[in-house]
Amino acid sequence: EVQLVESGGGLVKPGGSLRLSCAASGLTFSNAWMNWVRQAPGKGLEWVGRIKSKSDGGTTDYAAPVKGRFTISRDDSKNTLYLQMNSLKTEDTAVYYCTTEYGLWSGGGFQYWGQGTLVTVSS
Amino acid sequence: IVLTQSPGTLSLSPGERATLSCWASQSVSSSYLAWYQQKPGQAPRLLIYGASSRATGIPDRFSGSGSGTDFTLTISRLEPEDFAVYYCQQYGRSPPMYTFGQGTKLEIK
Repeated sequence: EVQLVESGGGLVKPGGSLRLSCAASGLTFSNAWMNWVRQAPGKGLEWVGRIKSKSDGGTTDYAAPVKGRFTISRDDSKNTLYLQMNSLKTEDTAVYYCTTEYGLWSGGGFQYWGQGTLVTVSS
Repeated sequence: IVLTQSPGTLSLSPGERATLSCWASQSVSSSYLAWYQQKPGQAPRLLIYGASSRATGIPDRFSGSGSGTDFTLTISRLEPEDFAVYYCQQYGRSPPMYTFGQGTKLEIK
């Protein structure tokens, strides 16, 4: 059974930084392209970014609102995905989900999701 | 590409048929169109991938159809557990990005 468990959320002041983690199990993590999706309170879903597997280049792609401020990385030895968030804004307040299309093709659909971790940016 | 879902809220009774629409501002490959269900306090759940294929464990009362710019999620006979918010999502390859519709809330009438 694939499990994704996020951690690291919390309250941070505008301009601050936070690092989220996502521990994965039940899949060959090193082969998985991993994504972050967020959801502001009472709002819809917004893709944040993704990282390819190292065998596919390990490159990253980001949504425009976070590009240059957020960095996605991975540690395949620990089966863990990271989201480093810098220069945080109040509009970054959201539940952040770790998700993957593992088992489907890229763009096929996010089959597996974590439970989410809440990030609140407020002074 | 912008995805627009209609209606914003759909009020139906258990046993009725639900038809949810998703329109894309540009043509979308069917391979890259998915539908999700989300209940309060829960992560989204993949229902349909490739516009018409049911994900693992999804009951056959859920079906997806469409192509180009016009896609539909149909729930043939609503069960009490189907009342939730539904999102469509597309993937664009250049540049790589994923876009979600704004969601349709399916509520009990």
